[in-house]
Amino acid sequence: SQTIHQWPATLVQPVGSPLSLECTVEGTSNPNLYWYRQAAGRGLQLLFYSVGIGQISSEVPQNLSASRPQDRQFILSSKKLLLSDSGFYLCARETGVNTEAFFGQGTRLTVV
Amino acid sequence: KQEVTQIPAALSVPEGENLVLNCSFTDSAIYNLQWFRQDPGKGLTSLLLIQSSQREQTSGRLNASLDKSSGRSTLYIAASQPGDSATYLCAVNNFNTGNQFYFGTGTSLTVIP
Repeated sequence: SQTIHQWPATLVQPVGSPLSLECTVEGTSNPNLYWYRQAAGRGLQLLFYSVGIGQISSEVPQNLSASRPQDRQFILSSKKLLLSDSGFYLCARETGVNTEAFFGQGTRLTVV
Repeated sequence: KQEVTQIPAALSVPEGENLVLNCSFTDSAIYNLQWFRQDPGKGLTSLLLIQSSQREQTSGRLNASLDKSSGRSTLYIAASQPGDSATYLCAVNNFNTGNQFYFGTGTSLTVIP
């Protein structure tokens, strides 16, 4: 099984509050892990990807950060949320560059 | 930069019809192309992965084709069912940005019973 767990499923946070979204994967070792954001009416935007523990690449400048403390754990964080951070956040994994990507069920974040 | 376009943005068909969803991309230097299904408020479910050396892949009632040179892919759904109603997304993985999928904005499909 190549399962991806994301939590929480939904989250409502006030502007300026911190954020921590967690993604864990099962069934594979040393996966490439990704955080995507899907805004209403827009395509998926890659935020971060990681090819290993402690290795994080950022695709867009933002007030978000990511960490990979363990091989199968990927965390998305923010110190102070903005209204524009609202969206649907998806974690994904693949075992290599040219392999099938699998996605978690997502976290719906609303910043109020 | 790779750009992925999906046409139409929305499609409504009666149950039982065969249909085709289109995906085009601007940079043909891709590793692969993947089709996904997304139900409202849910994550993405992988449907088919086509490697750059392949021309098509089939899974059940689904058939995806790839014409890399022209930058096009189609997803063919045979004998559509109401359960096929969802948003369908295509994504490509480029050679020069191997760790990123570029997504289209999707086609929202409604199959009417």
